[in-house]
Amino acid sequence: GENVEQHPSTLSVQEGDSAVIKCTYSDSASNYFPWYKQELGKGPQLIIDIRSNVGEKKDQRIAVTLNKTAKHFSLHITETQPEDSAVYFCAATPYSGGGADGLTFGKGTHLIIQP
Amino acid sequence: NAGVTQTPKFRILKIGQSMTLQCTQDMNHNYMYWYRQDPGMGLKLIYYSVGAGITDKGEVPNGYNVSRSTTEDFPLRLELAAPSQTSVYFCASSAGEAQYFGPGTRLLVL
Repeated sequence: GENVEQHPSTLSVQEGDSAVIKCTYSDSASNYFPWYKQELGKGPQLIIDIRSNVGEKKDQRIAVTLNKTAKHFSLHITETQPEDSAVYFCAATPYSGGGADGLTFGKGTHLIIQP
Repeated sequence: NAGVTQTPKFRILKIGQSMTLQCTQDMNHNYMYWYRQDPGMGLKLIYYSVGAGITDKGEVPNGYNVSRSTTEDFPLRLELAAPSQTSVYFCASSAGEAQYFGPGTRLLVL
């Protein structure tokens, strides 16, 4: 099955600086890669996703890049703000259109924004 | 839309007790999922359903059961609670690739 590795486990950056979180996956059939933000005591919130036919996707201050050859994808947050502090999870799945595709998650990155 | 709702928010069970975790979605999504999240770990898939009357096992199904009698509801049943089932349980739904999660149920088995 799929295996997703995520690093770093903790990332501390100064407010206003950029943050980068990296993930690798093992299953070459995986074609959908979402990123979730989880605040304390809440459920994961989808913040951005990318499909394997796209190399990069951007939404305001966040962007995701995908390198299919190397089987890795990254989350980039620019101009970090205190409200960006949370745990971020990457995930992967070989989505086939039938709904029987649970996500395989990384272990998460605790992002800390220092004022 | 309320999205995905889960009840209860928190529960303490004794070893051997049973309970049902409730999950409801109002987005008319066909696909629903149950995950568990252990401390410092990512979420792991327990069971999923592609529509009413259809369910299947995920990565960690032992000790759990599910049913899907309607599009909206996808309850998760623990028959004989064990300490290893102490976790936070998340329900999710989707119409396609993107999965949307509920707020979770924190379960402690003592």
